[in-house]
Amino acid sequence: QVTLRESGPALVRPTENLTLTCTFSGFSLDSSGMCVSWIRQSPGKALEWLALIDWADDKYYTTSLKAGLTISKDTSKNQVVLTVTNPDTVDTGTYYCARYHWDTTFFDSWGQGILVTVSS
Amino acid sequence: DVVMTQTPLFLPVTPGQPASISCKSSQSLLKSDGKTYLYWYFHKPGHSPQLLIYEGSSRFSGVPDRFSGSGSGTDFTLKISRVEAEDIGVYYCMQTLHLPYTFGQGTTLDIK
Repeated sequence: QVTLRESGPALVRPTENLTLTCTFSGFSLDSSGMCVSWIRQSPGKALEWLALIDWADDKYYTTSLKAGLTISKDTSKNQVVLTVTNPDTVDTGTYYCARYHWDTTFFDSWGQGILVTVSS
Repeated sequence: DVVMTQTPLFLPVTPGQPASISCKSSQSLLKSDGKTYLYWYFHKPGHSPQLLIYEGSSRFSGVPDRFSGSGSGTDFTLKISRVEAEDIGVYYCMQTLHLPYTFGQGTTLDIK
C-alpha cells in the first residue's frame, strides 16, 4: 500500500525558511522512473504544481514562484524535502506531496496535505 | 508555460443530470509517441486530490463509469453522465507534457 505524509510547521514568519518533509512508504525512490512531487493550493486558488524530484536526483521547478524552491531526497529515510526560501504571505496554503512516474506521467497517490500559514 | 483554461468555473447541477467541463490548452498535449498528456483530477474539500482520467480518456482504477474523458490536441472534455451527490467538489485538468506542469483554474461542481 502506497502512503505519503507531509510534515512541517503550521506557521512560519516571512523571514524564515519553510521546510516541509514528505515521508512515504510502499514504493522506493530508488526505482527507475519513480518521482515525488510537491503541489499546493493557496486559499481560494487552484492547485499549483511546485517541484519534482526523480530517482536519478533530477529536479524540476515551477517558474511562477517569487520565493525560492529547493527539493531534495533522502532515499534511506524514504523522504523528500521541499524548502521554500524567503516565503511571503502568498505562500500560505495546503501543501501536498504526490507520487509520480515517468512512464505513467500522472500523480496516482497523494498525501493528506499540510496547511502552512506564512505570517508575521 | 502552458495555460490550461477550464469552462465553466462554476457548474450547478441537478442530481441525476449530466455535467460537462471543457479544458483547453495553449499548446498541443499530443506527443510524438502518440500519448496525450492530459489528466483530470477531482478535489473534494478536506480531502486529497484524486486522479479520475489519464491520457485524456482512460478511467483510473476504481473510478465509476459515469465519468468519461474525451478530446485531443488542445481541446478536452470531462463528462459525468449522471451526477451524484458525492461528485460535489472541484475538477481540474492538468498537463504533464510541458514543464512546468500546469493545472486549469478548476471547475466547482455544486448541487442546484
